[in-house]
Amino acid sequence: AQSVTQLGSHVSVSEGALVLLRCNYSSSVPPYLFWYVQYPNQGLQLLLKYTTGATLVKGINGFEAEFKKSETSFHLTKPSAHMSDAAEYFCAVSDRSSNTGKLIFGQGTTLQVKP
Amino acid sequence: DAGITQSPRYKITETGRQVTLMCHQTWSHSYMFWYRQDLGHGLRLIYYSAAADITDKGEVPDGYVVSRSKTENFPLTLESATRSQTSVYFCASGRLSHEQYFGPGTRLTVT
Repeated sequence: AQSVTQLGSHVSVSEGALVLLRCNYSSSVPPYLFWYVQYPNQGLQLLLKYTTGATLVKGINGFEAEFKKSETSFHLTKPSAHMSDAAEYFCAVSDRSSNTGKLIFGQGTTLQVKP
Repeated sequence: DAGITQSPRYKITETGRQVTLMCHQTWSHSYMFWYRQDLGHGLRLIYYSAAADITDKGEVPDGYVVSRSKTENFPLTLESATRSQTSVYFCASGRLSHEQYFGPGTRLTVT
């Protein structure tokens, strides 16, 4: 069964510093990969996704993620954190061979940005 | 307006009562999903639907019922609410690309 692990439930960075949120998946076949962001009292918003092609994926708000098959990872990065990036971030996977569209979510990482 | 909406946004109910959470999307997406979000558990899938009149159980379906008579609506019913069902409920919709779009959520408290 597929699973998603997000290393670190809380990450704290200073404004302007690099943001790195880690995600590893467990699957025999590389799945579709997603990062979602959730701001307080809101629903989840898609940041970026990897389905096929270029392994470095660019998303909204300056975020990007790189799919590394050998490491079964899909870490999310942003070169310079902004106060508005403070939110909860979820990594999710979906089975390529499935026709259900189901997502499996990680536990989430809360990003704190300090001034 | 196009998008996905949920109602009510906040609901307080008593143990044993039936409550229905509504979800409506205007994109004509085939797939719709219900999740619950709880501290320490992330998002867990309750039920999903691949099309009108096609529904299936997710990870935590017990105590919940869904129906989908129209493509755009996917109501979730708690037949006899329990305190353990206090949670934030999110509806989502999507296409075959597996990308899902989420509603704003319903915060349900069962007293």
